[in-house]
Order: sequence, then structure tokens, then C-alpha cells
Amino acid sequence: RKEVEQDPGPFNVPEGATVAFNCTYSNSASQSFFWYRQDCRKEPKLLMSVYSSGNEDGRFTAQLNRASQYISLLIRDSKLSDSATYLCVVNIVTGGFKTIFGAGTRLFVKA
Amino acid sequence: DTAVSQTPKYLVTQMGNDKSIKCEQNLGHDTMYWYKQDSKKFLKIMFSYNNKELIINETVPNRFSPKSPDKAHLNLHINSLELGDSAVYFCASSQDLGRTEAFFGQGTRLTVV
Repeated sequence: RKEVEQDPGPFNVPEGATVAFNCTYSNSASQSFFWYRQDCRKEPKLLMSVYSSGNEDGRFTAQLNRASQYISLLIRDSKLSDSATYLCVVNIVTGGFKTIFGAGTRLFVKA
Repeated sequence: DTAVSQTPKYLVTQMGNDKSIKCEQNLGHDTMYWYKQDSKKFLKIMFSYNNKELIINETVPNRFSPKSPDKAHLNLHINSLELGDSAVYFCASSQDLGRTEAFFGQGTRLTVV
């Protein structure tokens, strides 16, 4: 089992749709969690951190479920500009340190 | 001002050559990384440096040697390049090790022919 798993997609949605991505992680020592966005042929950029209590930033909502070891990202009112690959990132700090990137979920938002 | 900058952006070279990629960050961060993103788009950490000290060295051939002259710089030197080294290499930095988000450079697209 991979340490961080995401559905690769692609998710094809119309503008205005709500879309949700899940990401599961296997190491219970995972300490911090992030969603990154990567556009084609560009570098990954932080979209948002994921906090235990859940957090929202405009149309984006991130949730963390430690018991089930997954994080989620909800995008409401999708825009064309949301088309990208969304990367789930988990930091594991236990004795040493490890950052694990998921393989990413591709999203296409169409007019 | 670019926060994390790496050069060159594109690098095409022949098998067997030695090449270097430079990275600099002006964020005052303590930790810097090198990542490799292959043709399947999977992003994997290669090295992590904290305050100029090597912290992580994932299973990377010893043809790859990082050098950190100071906290703001982490260069990657690659000896005897192979076809399989073709990928996009990203430099990144973060405030500390493992708890805060990383900021990435624009990537270096390496093609070995």
C-alpha cells in the first residue's frame, strides 16, 4: 500500500460544479497535511494547509479525519481556472522526517 | 522578487556528461530540498538539508551530490548522466523541517540524450 494515495482522476466537471477529492495516508505518525496545486509544466504551489478542525478558504474547504486517516478537499462553484492537478502532501515526523506527496488528482473544469 | 529560484530552467545534455543545477532562496528558510518529478508526474524527495546539514538522502544514486554552501543555497551536481535521469527537478524550501509548507522553484527540465 502506498503511503499516500489519491484517485488520479481525471475529474471532468462543468463550471459551477462542486467537486471533492480524497486522500488517504497509511502512517499514523503523520503530523501535518497540505493540499498543493500544480498547473501543467509549473511548480507545485501551496493551496492550503489542512487543520484538524477543518478549514475553509473561499471556495475551498479542507478536512482532516485522523481516525480514518484521510484528508479531503472540496471545491465549490468550480472555475475554469481551477483546472490543475491537486497534490495531497503528508509530513511524517517521528524520529526522522519524511514528506510524502500523493501522485495527484487531475481536475478539468469545462465551460 | 522570486522566492526560490533555480537555474537553468532547461538543460539538454548527452549521456555521460556532468551537470549542475543551482538553487537559491531569499525567504530566510532553514530547510531546503531537491525533488524529482518523473514522466509519470510523481514527485519524490531526493535530499533535504537543514541549516546546511544533510538530513535526508532518499535512495538516490551517488552520482547525485547536493552541496549547500550556505543556508540560502542548495546546488545539485549530477555525474555521468543517464537517460533515466531525464525528469523535472524542483528545488524547494521551508521554514523548518516537516511542519510547514514548502515553496518550490520553477523547476529544471533535464533531458538526457
